[in-house]
Amino acid sequence: ETGVTQSPTHLIKTRGQQVTLRCSSQSGHNTVSWYQQALGQGPQFIFQYYREEENGRGNFPPRFSGLQFPNYSSELNVNALELDDSALYLCASSSGVVPEAFFGQGTRLTVV
Amino acid sequence: ELKVEQNPLFLSMQEGKNYTIYCNYSTTSDRLYWYRQDPGKSLESLFVLLSNGAVKQEGRLMASLDTKARLSTLHITAAVHDLSATYFCAVGSTLGRLYFGRGTQLTVWP
Repeated sequence: ETGVTQSPTHLIKTRGQQVTLRCSSQSGHNTVSWYQQALGQGPQFIFQYYREEENGRGNFPPRFSGLQFPNYSSELNVNALELDDSALYLCASSSGVVPEAFFGQGTRLTVV
Repeated sequence: ELKVEQNPLFLSMQEGKNYTIYCNYSTTSDRLYWYRQDPGKSLESLFVLLSNGAVKQEGRLMASLDTKARLSTLHITAAVHDLSATYFCAVGSTLGRLYFGRGTQLTVWP
């Protein structure tokens, strides 16, 4: 089991609402990446944060935004939720020393 | 953008048999990862391959990397039911972003 924790584990929201997902990175890791995994698909990169700055973004609209805090934990915010946002959201933490990402257990978001 | 293709996408095999999952990618990279995912669960790291010719083995699984051919393989030896899961390969960029394949859903039956 990794030291990456995500909350909540499950969430149901209504279309048009906003949601915030949280991730605590593994001790010693300064980089957090977020991925969206739709049912039956591989994870898709949303964005990455390194030392509180966005450090790369995938093909996601601006209503997907994030933050990283001084303790390297992170939030993913999604505004104006759409039905297609229903997915498993995965957080991964890594350090610059070891080129390996460790994933949290994920947040299952359902938009109705 | 880097593309990652896995095949097969679905694999049904009998216990005791051998099989190989293939992962091709479109752009040069020397970072290749294999993950396992059980239904409704997160990703479990299996192998990290960081150089051409790298080979790693854990139990009944063996992974290899050929960076010149842009190909990685995950070989399953004498499959058992507990190996049933979805297996993903992912290619790493220099910025640490991972590009995933669509996954191979493996079912091992008696």
